[in-house]
Amino acid sequence: EVQLVESGGGLVQPGRSLRLSCAASGFTFDDYAMHWVRQAPGKGLEWVSGITWNGDSVGYADSVKGRFTISRDNAKKSLYLQMNSLRTDDTAFYYCSKDLGWGLAATMFEYWGQGILVTVSS
Amino acid sequence: QVVLTQSPSASASLGASVKLTCTLISGHINYAIAWHQQQPEKGPRFLMKVNNDGTHNKGDGIPDRFSGSSSGAERYLTISSLQSEDAADYYCQTWNTDVGGVFGGGTKLTVL
Repeated sequence: EVQLVESGGGLVQPGRSLRLSCAASGFTFDDYAMHWVRQAPGKGLEWVSGITWNGDSVGYADSVKGRFTISRDNAKKSLYLQMNSLRTDDTAFYYCSKDLGWGLAATMFEYWGQGILVTVSS
Repeated sequence: QVVLTQSPSASASLGASVKLTCTLISGHINYAIAWHQQQPEKGPRFLMKVNNDGTHNKGDGIPDRFSGSSSGAERYLTISSLQSEDAADYYCQTWNTDVGGVFGGGTKLTVL
């Protein structure tokens, strides 16, 4: 059974940093691209960032480019999102998601975690 | 830039069928899309991928009541024999090399 478990969320002040983690199990982690998708309370889904199976290529939404960094550790079967210079509009549930494929092309989000809440507020 | 358009809401009676629509913007009508279901207070769940030729590939454990189809720029999700647990938000999603992941605004389905 595929499982994706996010951790590291919480309340943080504007301008500060936070690092999210996602622990994966139930599939061959290093065969697939991985993503972060977020959802502000009461709003729709927004893709945040993605990374290829080996980490050689990454992509970011314009809204987080230059502030967020995605990474992965295949040995630990873990995905990360380093979030710097956080803003109040970054407040959202953050979901870890497994791609159908290994690259960042024709991506479909096949499995989702339960999400972790990040609240940016003073 | 790829845009996906969905009606904000839909409703149908228990036991009936409903067809949800996701429309691709002109110039991108050959894109495949995915349908995702999000029940209240839960994370999203992948339902299926729908190709531009109408073929679809369902996710693990998705009941036969859920099916996908396509016509031109439109991608459809049909749910038959509606059950109370089908009340949820439904999002279509695709990918564009320039902008990355793209989601429609979602359709809130009410089961009467």
